[in-house]
Amino acid sequence: SQTIHQWPATLVQPVGSPLSLECTVEGTSNPNLYWYRQAAGRGLQLLFYSVGIGQISSEVPQNLSASRPQDRQFILSSKKLLLSDSGFYLCAQMGYYNEQFFGPGTRLTVL
Amino acid sequence: AQSVSQHNHHVILSEAASLELGCNYSYGGTVNLFWYVQYPGQHLQLLLKYFSGDPLVKGIKGFEAEFIKSKFSFNLRKPSVQWSDTAEYFCAVKMGGNTPLVFGKGTRLSVIA
Repeated sequence: SQTIHQWPATLVQPVGSPLSLECTVEGTSNPNLYWYRQAAGRGLQLLFYSVGIGQISSEVPQNLSASRPQDRQFILSSKKLLLSDSGFYLCAQMGYYNEQFFGPGTRLTVL
Repeated sequence: AQSVSQHNHHVILSEAASLELGCNYSYGGTVNLFWYVQYPGQHLQLLLKYFSGDPLVKGIKGFEAEFIKSKFSFNLRKPSVQWSDTAEYFCAVKMGGNTPLVFGKGTRLSVIA
């Protein structure tokens, strides 16, 4: 079964500061990995996905970037946070039947 | 553009009432369909999925969903809701190829005693 770790669980950062959110997964090798942002009433917005090391697809142009330095590691970053970057960030891994398994999420507040 | 629509933003039901949450998608090809649930303060969990075969799918906790291809729909049902079903429910569709899931905006269900 898939186990997904995300840290930190919560983060409060000032506007203009950098960001690094980490996601690591256990289980199958070469998983498809995803970063989502969840906002109340707006569902899950897909930000990035990766089908392998160094391969990143961006769904929404914005102030964020993603990297996949290792097979089971997926990182979400920003050089300078904006107020609008506040939200709940979820990492997910695709399963055998194309379902997605989600991590516990990181609550980011930008002040 | 491919999209998933959930008709209700917030549904309020009394315990023992029947539930049906709508989900429609816009894609003419082969799809995989999912319903997820997020209880307050918890992870998103897979409730049920349709991959192929019988269009009536049964999931955990007494939930079921029916895939009606002609209507591009995958509505979620439960005959009798409980207070513990209070949660947010998300429909998701995989629309062919190596594409990510597309999620609806979610429906918040509140069950009152």
